[in-house]
Amino acid sequence: RKEVEQDPGPFNVPEGATVAFNCTYSNSASQSFFWYRQDCRKEPKLLMSVYSSGNEDGRFTAQLNRASQYISLLIRDSKLSDSATYLCVVPPVGNNRLAFGKGNQVVVIP
Amino acid sequence: EPEVTQTPSHQVTQMGQEVILRCVPISNHLYFYWYRQILGQKVEFLVSFYNNEISEKSEIFDDQFSVERPDGSNFTLKIRSTKLEDSAMYFCASSGRRGPLNYGYTFGSGTRLTVV
Repeated sequence: RKEVEQDPGPFNVPEGATVAFNCTYSNSASQSFFWYRQDCRKEPKLLMSVYSSGNEDGRFTAQLNRASQYISLLIRDSKLSDSATYLCVVPPVGNNRLAFGKGNQVVVIP
Repeated sequence: EPEVTQTPSHQVTQMGQEVILRCVPISNHLYFYWYRQILGQKVEFLVSFYNNEISEKSEIFDDQFSVERPDGSNFTLKIRSTKLEDSAMYFCASSGRRGPLNYGYTFGSGTRLTVV
């Protein structure tokens, strides 16, 4: 099983709608989880960390489900500028490297 | 906001040639990394570097690859004899601390390497 798995999509979302997607991870001992955003041919940029209790940052909500080993990202009131690939990142335990999923490509349609 | 700087932004090289990709990490960071992303694929870890030595490397980072921090500010990735499959975007990153949290883990804007 891959360290981090995501359904790449694309997820075509009408402007103003809500979109949500999940990411599964293989190591039940994983401690930290992140969502990154990557624009086409650009570097990954941290969007938000994912805490055990879930967290919200404006229109973005991240949640963690340890029992089923997945994290989720929900984007409310989608804007055209939200079009990007959202990368799930789960660092291996005791390690500095980042393990990336393949990403969920979101296309917000006017 | 502090940045990780990479040069060049795009490099074209012939198969078999050596290339050196350059990075200037954030000045007070201690951990340095190289990642690569082949077009259409996920970002893959290559190597991490701390205290002037490699702390971890992936299977991709074979004998054709080497890293160096020659002067206390630059961090370089050398590919000794490039192959077509080395064509990818190479990202440098740096972070301030080791640990489970993402202490200022910052990526550079990348070098697109094209091997012809």
